[in-house]
Amino acid sequence: EPEVTQTPSHQVTQMGQEVILRCVPISNHLYFYWYRQILGQKVEFLVSFYNNEISEKSEIFDDQFSVERPDGSNFTLKIRSTKLEDSAMYFCASSYVGEAFFGQGTRLTVV
Amino acid sequence: EDKVVQSPLSLVVHEGDTVTLNCSYEVTNFRSLLWYKQEKKAPTFLFMLTSSGIEKKSGRLSSILDKKELFSILNITATQTGDSAIYLCAVIDSGGSNYKLTFGKGTLLTVNP
Repeated sequence: EPEVTQTPSHQVTQMGQEVILRCVPISNHLYFYWYRQILGQKVEFLVSFYNNEISEKSEIFDDQFSVERPDGSNFTLKIRSTKLEDSAMYFCASSYVGEAFFGQGTRLTVV
Repeated sequence: EDKVVQSPLSLVVHEGDTVTLNCSYEVTNFRSLLWYKQEKKAPTFLFMLTSSGIEKKSGRLSSILDKKELFSILNITATQTGDSAIYLCAVIDSGGSNYKLTFGKGTLLTVNP
């Protein structure tokens, strides 16, 4: 069964460093998303990507964040200068229409 | 701002019990409501509901949507320990140009043997 894959599963980084989280969405899907979940809190929308551009972003998705789909398969989230409060589980998701399918997540720990 | 409220926030039952999880929502332009199960990590898709009054069923799980009263329920019959998870409700707002999900806080279900 097709699935969304994310790497790495866990990343520890120092405050101020740049991180890139990687995702391979399901191949025939059209919409791509990043969500995050801070420990003990709800899943929050960050950004959606369609037709090679951002279609919507949340208030959380400030200038520190960027997304790219550099080739036909990968979808990346870059955080330019990480802060302690960026520590969270980051989920990539993709959808054809309607229901989104989630990757297993990258746990980002900023120290 | 769109809002999704789930209740109860947590629930502890014994194997074999039947549970009902609730989700109410307020969105500007409702399109669909989805239920996900979150165990260790990723939310896994259970149901998507778009039409009112039509029950979706998968094994021991079923769900129904009431668009007039703006809520949905997820039923699990004959619960098993493997049903222990956080159950997430999310809505899609048709006003957007994508299928962005707005999640509730989830219901933590614990099924004891």
